[in-house]
Amino acid sequence: EAGVAQSPRYKIIEKRQSVAFWCNPISGHATLYWYQQILGQGPKLLIQFQNNGVVDDSQLPKDRFSAERLKGVDSTLKIQPAKLEDSAVYLCASSATSGSHEQFFGPGTRLTVL
Amino acid sequence: SQQGEEDPQALSIQEGENATMNCSYKTSINNLQWYRQNSGRGLVHLILIRSNEREKHSGRLRVTLDTSKKSSSLLITASRAADTASYFCATVALDSSYKLIFGSGTRLLVRP
Repeated sequence: EAGVAQSPRYKIIEKRQSVAFWCNPISGHATLYWYQQILGQGPKLLIQFQNNGVVDDSQLPKDRFSAERLKGVDSTLKIQPAKLEDSAVYLCASSATSGSHEQFFGPGTRLTVL
Repeated sequence: SQQGEEDPQALSIQEGENATMNCSYKTSINNLQWYRQNSGRGLVHLILIRSNEREKHSGRLRVTLDTSKKSSSLLITASRAADTASYFCATVALDSSYKLIFGSGTRLLVRP
């Protein structure tokens, strides 16, 4: 079974630039999550999708972050404009709809904002 | 905001020794999960314990849960160098959102 795919793996940008991350969840997984993990901390949920609908985006900084999940499969997370404090690893995860609480994580995208 | 706090923040042990990590959380939960993160394999689910369970085993892992104290512990027996990683507890609240709230993690170093 293929895991959660993310790209790019690394990205370096200057502040005020924009950046986009892509995620392809495990086939058949209806729920998709984006997390932000700052160095030395645990992951923090940014947004949760159920199919192509948003379930929870309470911790997404909506003035600069946006996410979409067209057709309920792939998802993109965008930051525009980036700030220095956005430097982090952005993790995508997915889970099945069978009631399982286990989430499967992708390798993450390490973002450095200079 | 982080729900759980792991203790200790860092732990260094010799290969073959046991490693114990603790997690405390704040709100009532549906279940608590432990994840491992290393540079090679990313974040991987280890074990899930439900709020009505007190202890669970999986291979060399033993997890306990005390809902009255809002705490959990993860024991890794007979540690190996490959167990070197960061370990996070994560809680799922009583609502049906399946939202995971992670703690700050314990960094484990197993010396060969």
